Amino acid sequence: SQQGEEDPQALSIQEGENATMNCSYKTSINNLQWYRQNSGRGLVHLILIRSNEREKHSGRLRVTLDTSKKSSSLLITASRAADTASYFCAYISSGSARQLTFGSGTQLTVLP
Amino acid sequence: NAGVTQTPKFRVLKTGQSMTLLCAQDMNHEYMYWYRQDPGMGLRLIHYSVGEGTTAKGEVPDGYNVSRLKKQNFLLGLESAAPSQTSVYFCASRNKAGGPTDTQYFGPGTRLTVL
Repeated sequence: SQQGEEDPQALSIQEGENATMNCSYKTSINNLQWYRQNSGRGLVHLILIRSNEREKHSGRLRVTLDTSKKSSSLLITASRAADTASYFCAYISSGSARQLTFGSGTQLTVLP
Repeated sequence: NAGVTQTPKFRVLKTGQSMTLLCAQDMNHEYMYWYRQDPGMGLRLIHYSVGEGTTAKGEVPDGYNVSRLKKQNFLLGLESAAPSQTSVYFCASRNKAGGPTDTQYFGPGTRLTVL
C-alpha cells in the first residue's frame, strides 16, 4: 500500500493545550494537504503546503514539511473541544488525475 | 450551491445483490473520485474520472464499476456485493487546474453494510 503513516493513531488532550500530529510518506510529492473529518461526516480540507515550502500557518494551524525526511506535522494551538475529529494527511502521488493518497489518520479528542 | 451530494446515505445489502451509489456535484468540477474508508484507515481510491465519459482504476477497483455519463454525476456500481465491501464510501471532486486548487471537496458519505 502507498498509504502514508500518521502518528499518533489517537491523541487525547485538555482544552487549551496544543496538539501535534505527524505524517510520513513514501514518494516524491507536489504538495501535502491536511484534512479533518468529524464523526460520521465527509472530509474537509484544512491546509495545503507545497513541496518548496517548509512551514505554513492558517489561524490556529501550523504545518511543517520536511521533504528530506518525507514527513509533515500539523500543530493545532490552543485546542478547543470542537477540534475533536480525525485528521488525515494526504499527498499527490504520481498519476494523471493528481490522485490523493491518504494517511491512516489521527483521532484527536479534546476534553473540555 | 449544494457542493457534493451522495445518495443513499445508508444501505444494507445481502451478499450477491447489486446497487448503485450516486454522486453529484454542482461546482462544474472536471475530476471526480470514489473512495472507501474502513475502520482505522484512511481513504483508499476505488475509481476516478478526469472528465465526462472517462473513468480509470484506482488502488482498490476490484468488484466495482463506475460511469461518468454526465459531468456532474459519478456513479459507483456493485454488481454482486460481498461482505468485504462493507465500508463507508466517499465521493469527491476537484477542479482540473493544479497548484493551490488541488483541494478535493467531499460528499457526506454512504454507509454500506453487506450481510
